[in-house]
Amino acid sequence: AQKVTQAQTEISVVEKEDVTLDCVYETRDTTYYLFWYKQPPSGELVFLIRRNSFDEQNEISGRYSWNFQKSTSSFNFTITASQVVDSAVYFCALSKETSGSRLTFGEGTQLTVNP
Amino acid sequence: EPEVTQTPSHQVTQMGQEVILRCVPISNHLYFYWYRQILGQKVEFLVSFYNNEISEKSEIFDDQFSVERPDGSNFTLKIRSTKLEDSAMYFCASRRTSGVSSNEQFFGPGTRLTVL
Repeated sequence: AQKVTQAQTEISVVEKEDVTLDCVYETRDTTYYLFWYKQPPSGELVFLIRRNSFDEQNEISGRYSWNFQKSTSSFNFTITASQVVDSAVYFCALSKETSGSRLTFGEGTQLTVNP
Repeated sequence: EPEVTQTPSHQVTQMGQEVILRCVPISNHLYFYWYRQILGQKVEFLVSFYNNEISEKSEIFDDQFSVERPDGSNFTLKIRSTKLEDSAMYFCASRRTSGVSSNEQFFGPGTRLTVL
């Protein structure tokens, strides 16, 4: 069975601070995909990143960066110089590599960025 | 850019009534999904659909739920006899079967179902 744990339920920061959202996963599969989604107050799910289990390179996209460490089964997400518009619930998710596989989501982390 | 659409955005129904939630997946996608999010909780998988049949379903997806692709564009979720605990946001998603981004599921904006 697959499981995703986001231990941080809520995080509150002041604008321009850096913030890291933790994600730990469990799977028996040797190949899998990891994802991060953002859910703003409007409710939609916005795709942020997909990472294949073969690729442990860290990735940076603007103010966002992701640290994938297979040895610790973690896929952490850092927002640099946070902005009020970053306020949202962030979900980490996991799927098997096989076609059509479901996404298993974590509980989500509510990030609030205060001005 | 193509996107998944869902109608209605909000549905209010009485307990025991049947509801049909509608989704139009992205046109060249062949895998379709329904997920549910009870208010304040995580997103939970309900069912996946491929080649006109269910490919996987969760323990939540019991006999009161059904899915259908009635034509070439729509993908529906029917709840036969709604219960109070069915109140949630229901997300539809679709996926390509090959190529770049083929493991990415594209989500619709959701339908908020309120059962009174």
